Amino acid sequence: NAGVMQNPRHLVRRRGQEARLRCSPMKGHSHVYWYRQLPEEGLKFMVYLQKENIIDESGMPKERFSAEFPKEGPSILRIQQVVRGDSAAYFCASSRGGTEKLFFGSGTQLSVL
Amino acid sequence: SQQGEEDPQALSIQEGENATMNCSYKTSINNLQWYRQNSGRGLVHLILIRSNEREKHSGRLRVTLDTSKKSSSLLITASRAADTASYFCATANFGNEKLTFGTGTRLTIIP
Repeated sequence: NAGVMQNPRHLVRRRGQEARLRCSPMKGHSHVYWYRQLPEEGLKFMVYLQKENIIDESGMPKERFSAEFPKEGPSILRIQQVVRGDSAAYFCASSRGGTEKLFFGSGTQLSVL
Repeated sequence: SQQGEEDPQALSIQEGENATMNCSYKTSINNLQWYRQNSGRGLVHLILIRSNEREKHSGRLRVTLDTSKKSSSLLITASRAADTASYFCATANFGNEKLTFGTGTRLTIIP
């Protein structure tokens, strides 16, 4: 019974390139959350999705960032034209519904050179 | 905006001692949760306390909630080296389907 799977574990991009982060939720979970964490800081909410729908994207920067959770396949967090300030750990979490217990993946560490 | 603020930011204690961490928040909540994060890993859910509860236990963990003061505390009894990690509180507001995390307490258990 695999947990939340995120890949890649580490991603290095040069400024201006695109970063695509993938998240496969736990089996039976249809709710996905993306969070960003800077070193020595807490997690900042980015976006909450259900299958094929964005429910809350209030934490997403208005430009360059997008997220999707298609009917089939993993959730994708996409960052276009990355800048150094995008360097962070990006965590995905899933749940059956609601926020009473989130299951987290191991994160993707994005480094922008 | 950051909902939860943990205190202290860092805590070092001897193995076997009790560790207490505090969390304050700003707005009314539906529930409050505590998570643990080992270095470089994802968060693991520890315990949830609802807004109508005052205290909850799970193994060596004890959580209290004071909604009048908008604060919670996490007590870990008889600490072990394996308890070394960062601990975060997270709040869920009514009608708001997302968890807002605090800044965390970095706990170090000295063998």
